Amino acid sequence: DAKTTQPPSMDCAEGRAANLPCNHSTISGNEYVYWYRQIHSQGPQYIIHGLKNNETNEMASLIITEDRKSSTLILPHATLRDTAVYYCIVRAPERGGADGLTFGKGTHLIIQP
Amino acid sequence: ETGVTQSPTHLIKTRGQQVTLRCSSQSGHNTVSWYQQALGQGPQFIFQYYREEENGRGNFPPRFSGLQFPNYSSELNVNALELDDSALYLCASSLLGGQLYGYTFGSGTRLTVV
Repeated sequence: DAKTTQPPSMDCAEGRAANLPCNHSTISGNEYVYWYRQIHSQGPQYIIHGLKNNETNEMASLIITEDRKSSTLILPHATLRDTAVYYCIVRAPERGGADGLTFGKGTHLIIQP
Repeated sequence: ETGVTQSPTHLIKTRGQQVTLRCSSQSGHNTVSWYQQALGQGPQFIFQYYREEENGRGNFPPRFSGLQFPNYSSELNVNALELDDSALYLCASSLLGGQLYGYTFGSGTRLTVV
């Protein structure tokens, strides 16, 4: 079972920042938080990951609370192409990924024109 | 880099038949994993291959099997197909299990079992 809780859907206006929350209250000290998204009819796409520090790349920013029990993915200037299902995943780096990724149902983000 | 390519894109099979799905990994990646995604659900991990051996498996029966070849391409084989096997099958490649740079997924093969 997924170790994360996300709202099933969210709306955001085009050009505004989209803030997607994720609760992972049972996260262990060695587990990272990963975000992927899946645009309709495509495979999931890696966005960003972090352990405890905030992270930023060309796609998004990841804000992790100090107690690490929740995080927020921020898309700074959402476009229509950001409409997708966003998955928050926690996993530990041991075993070289042999446990795979555990996807929940994610958040369906709809960007409104 | 060419990304992950999967073939075929769509497939229809009859219950009880066998199917083979193919995947070409992204250049430079040494690990490949397979996922099953039923309609409206998130992907479910089937198994992972590293150095041509299965090194991790999800909750799938033995009739789901795979291969990884020296060029890191991979096959997923499903025997004795059941109606519930109808799903999108996704292949993902990575370096070192994806923990540093994430997984690169293909667009999947849509399998319909009738």
